[in-house]
Amino acid sequence: EAQVTQNPRYLITVTGKKLTVTCSQNMNHEYMSWYRQDPGLGLRQIYYSMNVEVTDKGDVPEGYKVSRKEKRNFPLILESPSPNQTSLYFCASSLSRAGGNYGYTFGSGTRLTVV
Amino acid sequence: SQELEQSPQSLIVQEGKNLTINCTSSKTLYGLYWYKQKYGEGLIFLMMLQKGGEEKSHEKITAKLDEKKQQSSLHITASQPSHAGIYLCGAHWSYSGSARQLTFGSGTQLTVLP
Repeated sequence: EAQVTQNPRYLITVTGKKLTVTCSQNMNHEYMSWYRQDPGLGLRQIYYSMNVEVTDKGDVPEGYKVSRKEKRNFPLILESPSPNQTSLYFCASSLSRAGGNYGYTFGSGTRLTVV
Repeated sequence: SQELEQSPQSLIVQEGKNLTINCTSSKTLYGLYWYKQKYGEGLIFLMMLQKGGEEKSHEKITAKLDEKKQQSSLHITASQPSHAGIYLCGAHWSYSGSARQLTFGSGTQLTVLP
């Protein structure tokens, strides 16, 4: 089944403790992206990647890091999480940044709580 | 996003009623996507519109893009509780290879009362 897999689905952590949210897609997509979703603010892009070793900042990159060493994986790293990073996070992938005929394929989301 | 406005922000309807959600752009759209999101879950692709005047349907959901390609509407006929969720539109305004990403509206929360 074609899908984007995020792990974990739920995570509660403490301020300052480094964490990684994994994202993997099995569709050979070149474009991958991370979003956070907050009430009233909609989806905001954190980072995106056009291909292996090619990453760039989105609208809200502060406090986050990403890497794209393999085409299928695009992990999101929070080096020192803070409470304002409590949010619902989505990974998405697509054949191209423009979305094509089928838009982006989204993962199921990771609900992160930083206390 | 200020480039893409969705209305209404929330909608409560009785089961069986029809409803419409709008997505308006300040400039001509190149592509417009509709997604549905169950609370706390991922976004599911519904439809993509590209041509002015285009209309697509999937089961009881119909999406249209106006002739000027600045507004899209999502219409649900005879709503059911399974239609409840958040509906988001996503759009881009030009196509120059893969240079432009999708921008999303803030979403419409739909509740269908049984």
